[in-house]
Amino acid sequence: DVVMTQSPLSLPVTLGQPASISCRSSQSLIYSDGNTFLSWFQQRPGQSPRRLIYKVSNRDSGVPDRFSGSGSGTDFTLKISRVEAEDVGVYYCMQGTHWPPITFGQGTRLEIK
Amino acid sequence: EVQLVESGGDLVQPGGSLRLSCAASGFTLSHYSMNWVRQAPGKGLEWVSYIGASSGSGAIYYADSVKGRFTISRDTAKNSLFLQMNSLRAEDTAVYYCARDWPDTHFDYWGQGTLVTVSS
Repeated sequence: DVVMTQSPLSLPVTLGQPASISCRSSQSLIYSDGNTFLSWFQQRPGQSPRRLIYKVSNRDSGVPDRFSGSGSGTDFTLKISRVEAEDVGVYYCMQGTHWPPITFGQGTRLEIK
Repeated sequence: EVQLVESGGDLVQPGGSLRLSCAASGFTLSHYSMNWVRQAPGKGLEWVSYIGASSGSGAIYYADSVKGRFTISRDTAKNSLFLQMNSLRAEDTAVYYCARDWPDTHFDYWGQGTLVTVSS
């Protein structure tokens, strides 16, 4: 199984400042068709997860453009250009290249400093 | 508007059974691949099971942790997804979410979840 490792696990950020979360996979996530099936999810307190980014860098509909995804191979990053209060929650990366099983990172808890 | 509404969660004793439902609206469930994902209290996300679209292979997969105990299915007439859970263990205690796959990407829509508690 592909192991997804996120860092940091806790991320205190000042409002208006940028934030960055790293996600590393135990093997390359490049699929045979050239796609990379790496997604990012946000889970606000008390809510269901919501997908933010799919295939590394594609924002889902309605996701603010302050969220961006990048990376390749085994190293990926979610960036928030300016953190807002509504961004508080837990962020997960997920790989869908080598499955089953689909695997998630441990989660990164973003809080306001 | 796409909506997924889970139900069926309950308190059940170890070794017992439970059937979860996920009612879909705003789209035809059988045209999409669907999944169950769970989250133990205070823990992260764990994929549980997948069923392919009826127009495709209709493949079914399970996480090793539930293989042989859980069964995923769907009812086209009811536009619903199900998860039959047998031989339940304490470690199956979690919120169970159904989540839709958009072709070649996973989990574009999630339900609100239903809580399963396995305890004596």
